[in-house]
This record gives sequence, C-alpha cells and structure tokens, in this order.
Amino acid sequence: AQSVTQPDIHITVSEGASLELRCNYSYGATPYLFWYVQSPGQGLQLLLKYFSGDTLVQGIKGFEAEFKRSQSSFNLRKPSVHWSDAAEYFCAVGDDSNYQLIWGAGTKLIIKP
Amino acid sequence: DVKVTQSSRYLVKRTGEKVFLECVQDMDHENMFWYRQDPGLGLRLIYFSYDVKMKEKGDIPEGYSVSREKKERFSLILESASTNQTSMYLCASSLGDRAASPLHFGNGTRLTVT
Repeated sequence: AQSVTQPDIHITVSEGASLELRCNYSYGATPYLFWYVQSPGQGLQLLLKYFSGDTLVQGIKGFEAEFKRSQSSFNLRKPSVHWSDAAEYFCAVGDDSNYQLIWGAGTKLIIKP
Repeated sequence: DVKVTQSSRYLVKRTGEKVFLECVQDMDHENMFWYRQDPGLGLRLIYFSYDVKMKEKGDIPEGYSVSREKKERFSLILESASTNQTSMYLCASSLGDRAASPLHFGNGTRLTVT
C-alpha cells in the first residue's frame, strides 16, 4: 500500500540549531516528493519539491531536502532554525498518473529560545 | 501570488444543518481540492475537481458533496452536518499538471458541529 511516514509527531529544537525532519515513503511508481509548511492559523505553503535530477533540492526559507531512493526517504533539513520556523511540516508524495497526493501525518516543530 | 480565499474562518453549526463552505481562487487554476485536516491524520482528500462541473471522489467523500459551476469557485456541502464532521477544512487549487503541480491553499475553515 502507498504510504508516507513522518516518524516524529513533535520535534523541539533550540533556536540556531540545525534541523532534520524525516519522511519515508512507500510508493509503487517513481514519485514526486513535496514538503509543505503550515504556520499557526494558516493554510499550507510549498517549501520545495523533487521530481527528478539532482537529489538535493533547495527550497524557500533556507530549507533543503535530499531524496534517497535506496532508503525511500526525503528528509528536510535546515542548518540554523529561527523562531519563525515554528510550524507544522508535511511530507507528500504523488506521481503523474493522478491528481491525488499521499500525505504524511505531519511533524510539529517547536523552537526553544 | 495565487490567492485562495475561503469564505469563513470559523463556523459553528448544529447537527442536521446543511452547511456550505465556499472557496474562490484567482489564478485560473484548473484543479481545485477540498481536504479535511485532523490532528495526527494529516490531510485527507474529500473531493477534487479538474474542470468546471467535473468532480471526483477522494478518500473520504461520505457525507459530503461538491459543486463547481464556475472555474474559480469550488463549494463543499455537508448535506446534514454531524458532530464527527467537526474539523479543519482546507481548500486548494493547482494548475492542470495533475500531482506535479504544487497546491496553493486557503487559510482554512474551522467547523464545529454541536
């Protein structure tokens, strides 16, 4: 069955520290991979996406993600977090045969001052 | 920037009421989606539409219907609201490239059914 797993429901990181949010997927076709962020009281905003090519992709707000096919992973990273990064982060997977994405349950990022 | 506007930020309705959630996008996107967001469950697709008057069921269509009479507007209808439909509802739109096209979301409608 197709699925996306974000193993961490919550992550707490000190401001200025590095961040890695995990995403693992199970998907039959070659996937499109996305990370979205939801700030409190807001809708979701696209951070970055991977379709093909260079497996390290850069996104907005200083985020990057690395696609590792052998590990079926697409982890999100940021070298130094800011208090404004406190939000919920969602990983999603799709392909070009349909309109639907498979979503992870989300990881809530808490920033310690 | 694409703007997706949901008509209400908060709604409180009674069990059995018919409820309309409205969504408008201003970028001529072909695709529009209604999601439901519950803690720990991520986003679950209720319905989507890839063209005017076209609609497709998502993962959890039961108890919901949709209407897309104009390209920019996509309405979600709860025919007879129930307490288990208390949730955050998110509308999104995208261009016509199926799942390859990024989604643009509204700010959500938090619906409480009492």
